[in-house]
Order: sequence, then C-alpha cells, then structure tokens
Amino acid sequence: DAKTTQPPSMDCAEGRAANLPCNHSTISGNEYVYWYRQIHSQGPQYIIHGLKNNETNEMASLIITEDRKSSTLILPHATLRDTAVYYCIVRTNTNAGKSTFGDGTTLTVKP
Amino acid sequence: DAGITQSPRYKITETGRQVTLMCHQTWSHSYMFWYRQDLGHGLRLIYYSAAADITDKGEVPDGYVVSRSKTENFPLTLESATRSQTSVYFCASSDQLRTGELFFGEGSRLTVL
Repeated sequence: DAKTTQPPSMDCAEGRAANLPCNHSTISGNEYVYWYRQIHSQGPQYIIHGLKNNETNEMASLIITEDRKSSTLILPHATLRDTAVYYCIVRTNTNAGKSTFGDGTTLTVKP
Repeated sequence: DAGITQSPRYKITETGRQVTLMCHQTWSHSYMFWYRQDLGHGLRLIYYSAAADITDKGEVPDGYVVSRSKTENFPLTLESATRSQTSVYFCASSDQLRTGELFFGEGSRLTVL
C-alpha cells in the first residue's frame, strides 16, 4: 500500500473551514484514499473515502487532485469537538490487509 | 450488543508473562485487525485476518501470536511480554463487500512492568 505524508499539526478557528492535506504520490490506480480521526485515546472513527472523484458526506468533504497524488479533507465548519488526530491512508478496496496509518495530523480547533 | 468489543480494557502484567487480548465482533465481518499505538504515535498493524483460519503479518508482528478459529473472534497473544510491548492495542473489523471501512474497538491499554 502507498504511504502518505501529513503535516504533524494544524490549528483552525471555531466555525471556520479546516483543510487537512495529505500527500500520496505513490498511490496506485486501484487504491482508495480513506480518512479517519481519533479523539483522545478512543478508537479511530471513519470519516470518508474516495477513489478519484470528490466526495461529500454529513461529516466532511474529500477533494482528490486529478493526478490523485494528494487530497484534502475539508471540515466545513469546525467545532471544538473536531479537535482530534486525523489520519489519511490509502489502500485497495478489495484487500484491507496492511492498512497502514502514519502519525496523522493533530487538528486543534480554537475558540 | 452489536459492535466490536475488546477485553480487558486495562491490563498490567510483568515481563515474561503470557497475555491474551480478546476481540469480538457481531457483524460477521470477514476482515479483522490488530494495531498497537504507542504514546504520541500513530497506529501500527500487528496482524490481520481475511477470514477464519487465515491470518497474515503486518508491520510489527514479532512477539505476537494470533488465531481465528471463528469469524467473530480474533485474540492476540503476547507469549512472553516485554516492556516494549507496553502500548494501547486496537482491534478493528471490516466488511470488504461494502465500503471497506474499518470499525475500531475502544482499545486495550497494556502495561508491562
């Protein structure tokens, strides 16, 4: 599975959009981009995933560049409860094996 | 209750002891995983299983043993615990036929003295 690179930390003002970047320059054609977040020491929680089209759900939007080498997770109106570690991973959808998490981005939403 | 549960949630043991962490899921997901998370770091995959009786190594398998005799259970055993295995252990499951999303348990915090 392709490796990902994320900034170690980011700040965001409450109510503003949080844009979390992820680089995955070695992504293969059949690999999806998944985003998870981990609040405190809880188990990570799935946010969203996509292959090449932009995706949106009730939690966030995922923007994937045309060459698929990077993506951005967008939390449109960040709240204090969005403070968490956000992980970007890439893997195929048919073999979940070896889903590798890096150290993620610690997002701090400030009032 | 439906979901994925881990036990024990907290465990303190001594170097050299055998420890087994249990993971149980009620969704009949085919894939199950064990991760460890050291303080201040991300998750590292220890072992995973694609189905009953099928297991494979992840990034950091040394010192761990897994088995999967039933689809719903995926125990992780530390045969001879070491201090370096002090960590939080997360179990996860995934249904590959749908989104491929990973569902995580609440974690088991293990301290090896």
